Amino acid sequence: GAVVSQHPSWVICKSGTSVKIECRSLDFQATTMFWYRQFPKQSLMLMATSNEGSKATYEQGVEKDKFLINHASLTLSTLTVTSAHPEDSSFYICSAGPGLYYTDTQYFGPGTRLTVL
Amino acid sequence: GENVEQHPSTLSVQEGDSAVIKCTYSDSASNYFPWYKQELGKRPQLIIDIRSNVGEKKDQRIAVTLNKTAKHFSLHITETQPEDSAVYFCAASRVKGGGADGLTFGKGTHLIIQP
Repeated sequence: GAVVSQHPSWVICKSGTSVKIECRSLDFQATTMFWYRQFPKQSLMLMATSNEGSKATYEQGVEKDKFLINHASLTLSTLTVTSAHPEDSSFYICSAGPGLYYTDTQYFGPGTRLTVL
Repeated sequence: GENVEQHPSTLSVQEGDSAVIKCTYSDSASNYFPWYKQELGKRPQLIIDIRSNVGEKKDQRIAVTLNKTAKHFSLHITETQPEDSAVYFCAASRVKGGGADGLTFGKGTHLIIQP
């Protein structure tokens, strides 16, 4: 149990285009999902908290107009990188934990490698 | 906000020996401390976690200890094997009724098991 999927697993796009990444919890429901970014040989950095039915909460320094988050249902959150630029190239990973009202354990999706040319 | 420090950045041990990775955190409100193993290009995999009401937890060759007073927690791997080679991340978060904060990660430890 506690499986999280992401799609696509990798994407290459041109500078200025937008890219949508999906994160799904396959066998549980989650009111909260998290989005992280990981640059090569670095740690994971929390970007935002995705809340089902309400606005996402962004970490300091993360542009909310650039990284649009939509938590459409209890099993799906999407991250859209708008007007992507080469510096947005990174490994984007989502996480979620089982439990509608209480969760601590977080399971990660397989990640999406974004390359912006 | 929370800050997690992790040491060492690289650890090389002989196969069969033990490995210890240490982390400190800054926010006394943090109450959940997981450890993740990440292989190159793959997702982080949860290997063990500990909550603030427990001082120690063990799962076969892996153990974690927590010292709340010192804001310090450690990962212990005994009888290391080649497949233990990976990058290990510690993390901290605050879990409360109705939800949890996202994880704050340490910078990672590259564990190398020498045959």
